[in-house]
Amino acid sequence: AQSVTQLGSHVSVSEGALVLLRCNYSSSVPPYLFWYVQYPNQGLQLLLKYTSAATLVKGINGFEAEFKKSETSFHLTKPSAHMSDAAEYFCAVSSNSGGGADGLTFGKGTHLIIQP
Amino acid sequence: GAVVSQHPSRVICKSGTSVKIECRSLDFQATTMFWYRQFPKQSLMLMATSNEGSKATYEQGVEKDKFLINHASLTLSTLTVTSAHPEDSSFYICSARARETQYFGPGTRLLVL
Repeated sequence: AQSVTQLGSHVSVSEGALVLLRCNYSSSVPPYLFWYVQYPNQGLQLLLKYTSAATLVKGINGFEAEFKKSETSFHLTKPSAHMSDAAEYFCAVSSNSGGGADGLTFGKGTHLIIQP
Repeated sequence: GAVVSQHPSRVICKSGTSVKIECRSLDFQATTMFWYRQFPKQSLMLMATSNEGSKATYEQGVEKDKFLINHASLTLSTLTVTSAHPEDSSFYICSARARETQYFGPGTRLLVL
């Protein structure tokens, strides 16, 4: 069984400040981890993914995440927030790369608010 | 590349009727598609895995006869909500797998009156 916990349903940061969205996972097998972003009334867009290669993963729009096995974490960061980053962010886990066979298990999501 | 569409984007129906939602991969072929359900301000829950040419695999607690899935071609999967009731109102999102990544459609908002 797999599960994902995202700490903080809402995170508010000032424009230009560091963005940190937390994700912890539980998996009985080596996990594949993903971050997706969802804008209002839209589907999900893949930000980045970890598939057992480099532990520091760089994604689109300046986001990156680091896989820490000892902490079972995969936190998402961005050095400087932009207003356009305001959205819902989901962390997801799968036992297969891309969720090929099992689908994805999602966290509850974190709503990122950017203050001007 | 890797664009997934859904149709309709929004549908309102009366209780007891059936609604079909289409999921298409526009520029790639997908042997595997997934259907998720998202309640307001909540996360996505995997409903079923749709494999081209074979029966769908449903997650525990998802009624097969209620949510009929057909994956007749490599670019199209359909989800039919049969005898819809107000509690079926939700946001339904599909994804298609390509190159070890899931690409998501824009979602279909279903409201059952």
